[in-house]
Parts: sequence; C-alpha cells; structure tokens
Amino acid sequence: NAGVTQTPKFQVLKTGQSMTLQCAQDMNHEYMSWYRQDPGMGLRLIHYSVGAGITDQGEVPNGYNVSRSTTEDFPLRLLSAAPSQTSVYFCASSYEGGEQFFGPGTRLTVL
Amino acid sequence: GIQVEQSPPDLILQEGANSTLRCNFSDSVNNLQWFHQNPWGQLINLFYIPSGTKQNGRLSATTVATERYSLLYISSSQTTDSGVYFCAATAGGGNKLTFGTGTQLKVEL
Repeated sequence: NAGVTQTPKFQVLKTGQSMTLQCAQDMNHEYMSWYRQDPGMGLRLIHYSVGAGITDQGEVPNGYNVSRSTTEDFPLRLLSAAPSQTSVYFCASSYEGGEQFFGPGTRLTVL
Repeated sequence: GIQVEQSPPDLILQEGANSTLRCNFSDSVNNLQWFHQNPWGQLINLFYIPSGTKQNGRLSATTVATERYSLLYISSSQTTDSGVYFCAATAGGGNKLTFGTGTQLKVEL
C-alpha cells in the first residue's frame, strides 16, 4: 500500500493563478480531508469528505474548492491564489471514527 | 468546537533523558492522536488513544478521558526524537481533527 500520496511536493504560484493539489489514498477509506499548516501552528481543517459525492467545509475553507468523484481521490483547488495561501498542505484519510493517516504534504508559495 | 492545548511549547533535553508532554482538551473526545512531525515535515502517527494507555518501544501514552487530558512519555530520548509533537482530537462525532500548537522538542548530545 502506498498510503496517502500527494502531488506536487513543491509549487510556486503567482498571485491570481489557479492550481489543483492532488491527493490519493489506496486504503479504501471513506473519510478524506485537507489541512493547512502555517509556521508555528498546528494544522487547520480546510475541507473534508465523508464519501464520494459528499464534501463539507472545515475551519478555513475560503479560497478553496474540493470535489470527491471517487473514493480514492480528493483534489483541492485554488481558483485564484493569494499570498495568504502560502502554506504547507496536508491530505489525510481514515475510516469513519478511525485513526487518520497523513500524506507527505505540499509546500506552496504564492508570490 | 473543541479546544486543544499542549505544554510545554518548547523542550530541550540531553540525550538519554526522559520527558512528559501534556495535551489538555476542552470536551469529551471520540478520537485522540499523537503525531511526531520530523525535521523534514513528515507527520508520523505515534498513537491513536481516545482512552487508556499504550506503549510502543520508548514511547508511551495515556489518555484520561474523564479528566480531559493525555500524556506522551518519551524515555531515553535520542537525537532522532527531535521535532514537533502534536496532539489532535475529534469531538461530537465525525473525523474533524483539531490540533494543538505542538511541543517543539530538541534532543542534544
């Protein structure tokens, strides 16, 4: 099992550009989520999904969109990047109520 | 939502020393996890421990759910233990983890 994978590992964007962060898991977990981590802080929840076709907002959803068309994939879209979105992004997956496993992260810089 | 607080915020140890990290939470929890974020940024699962005690090598953890705290014990610390230790919890059903701000641990020779 590859676990939770994320691409790319690093990305630099200019303000206003759009991009999609990819997340995939091969553990057949129904629950997937996106977090961001800013310097000196813990992770904060952006969006989550309890299964294919179902998504909901977390603590800091503004500026991000998600969709869940399959159990395996949960992409995060930045429609118009802003410097405030410079952060490290982590994807996680789990069974409902179970232990969560995190991907290696994507380090995003918005200039 | 649930509040998660960790202490101490920073800790410096000599190799071989023992330490205890604390996590307080403001509500009853369904899930509590401890993570180690290594210097490369990777989040490593240490314990999934909504209640009780678990041990894994030099590490152990105890969660006292009725008193709303969890402790992570590191014995005979090594330089490879350096990094940030996070506690995270869910409450009220669902899988939405709330993270503490972490304990930055540095183990010196």
